[in-house]
Amino acid sequence: ETGVTQTPRHLVMGMTNKKSLKCEQHLGHNAMYWYKQSAKKPLELMFVYNFKEQTENNSVPSRFSPECPNSSHLFLHLHTLQPEDSALYLCASSRTSELTDTQYFGPGTRLTVL
Amino acid sequence: GQNIDQPTEMTATEGAIVQINCTYQTSGFNGLFWYQQHAGEAPTFLSYNVLDGLEEKGRFSSFLSRSKGYSYLLLKELQMKDSASYLCAVGDSNYQLIWGAGTKLIIKP
Repeated sequence: ETGVTQTPRHLVMGMTNKKSLKCEQHLGHNAMYWYKQSAKKPLELMFVYNFKEQTENNSVPSRFSPECPNSSHLFLHLHTLQPEDSALYLCASSRTSELTDTQYFGPGTRLTVL
Repeated sequence: GQNIDQPTEMTATEGAIVQINCTYQTSGFNGLFWYQQHAGEAPTFLSYNVLDGLEEKGRFSSFLSRSKGYSYLLLKELQMKDSASYLCAVGDSNYQLIWGAGTKLIIKP
């Protein structure tokens, strides 16, 4: 049983839709991350939050909008996505954003943009 | 640019030993991580190396040579459940993780 949960597990949306991905961690961690995983490509770090403050935004298009209301919850709001945004979106958490703190991943949301 | 190279796919036999290599070119080095990811599941942490040498953890061992920009993950006494993707990641000078694309390991009976 993972300490990081993500909903929904699968999502199909049109390019004009608005949807949100949710991540929740039950590990008492202070750092949370969003990653994009495309087939046969490296994990791409999208956003990092440390103690609810955004500390990294790796040139992510504005059609992806993160929200971190508290240290246990992380959202990724999606609007006017493109077909190339179809991927597995992984959430992770760690005790702090220090590199040596192990990141624990959720199972991901498989997103398909039509 | 920064780059992590690992083989795309490997095949091995149940009960055997397999070595998965990872080479890296990064701006600085702050540790190397190996993660395991079963199909459709979350990546899970396997090992962390920051000093040269071999770290052993049960059937899995991880080796690092910083001078060569090289690491390998060694899996012994392979089991069918070891079929998964194995991800190599390196901490760069900005303390960010740079990820490889992963190696898909297929175990055959």
